[in-house]
Amino acid sequence: EAQVTQNPRYLITVTGKKLTVTCSQNMNHEYMSWYRQDPGLGLRQIYYSMNVEVTDKGDVPEGYKVSRKEKRNFPLILESPSPNQTSLYFCASSLSRIRRERPDTQYFGPGTRLTVL
Amino acid sequence: GQQLNQSPQSMFIQEGEDVSMNCTSSSIFNTWLWYKQDPGEGPVLLIALYKAGELTSNGRLTAQFGITRKDSFLNISASIPSDVGIYFCAGPNAGNNRKLIWGLGTSLAVNP
Repeated sequence: EAQVTQNPRYLITVTGKKLTVTCSQNMNHEYMSWYRQDPGLGLRQIYYSMNVEVTDKGDVPEGYKVSRKEKRNFPLILESPSPNQTSLYFCASSLSRIRRERPDTQYFGPGTRLTVL
Repeated sequence: GQQLNQSPQSMFIQEGEDVSMNCTSSSIFNTWLWYKQDPGEGPVLLIALYKAGELTSNGRLTAQFGITRKDSFLNISASIPSDVGIYFCAGPNAGNNRKLIWGLGTSLAVNP
């Protein structure tokens, strides 16, 4: 089944304790992205990756790192989490990095609810 | 920068009612996308619109690409309880069409 998976789905941690949220897609998609969703603020893009070893900042990258060593995986790293990073996080992927006339459909994972105490 | 304004912010309706929501922008978009987020899940694409004036249906859902290219509308007919969720409009950033601009969503509650 074509899908985007995220782990963990729920995480409660404490300020300053490094954590990684994994994201994996089995659709051979080139483009992957991380969003956070907060009440009243909608979906905001954190980082995105156009292909392996190619990553770029989104709208709210501060406090986050990403890597793209393999096509299928795009982990989100919080080196020193803070309470303002408590949020619902979504990973998404789409087919192509090639500039097309029409944007490719983005497929979202089920989300990771993170609480930083 | 580009922004998308969705209204209404939330709706509470009775099962069987029709629903209308819209998305507007001060700048032109060449594509309008409507996503739905079920409770506890990630957003899923419902309808994509690529031409001004285009009207596209997906079951009980119908979306239109406004003639001015600065707005789009989503209608749901004969709502049912599983229509509950958040509906987002999105459109590609002018400089990079893999980066989407998102509206803040319309939250829909359906009373059975």
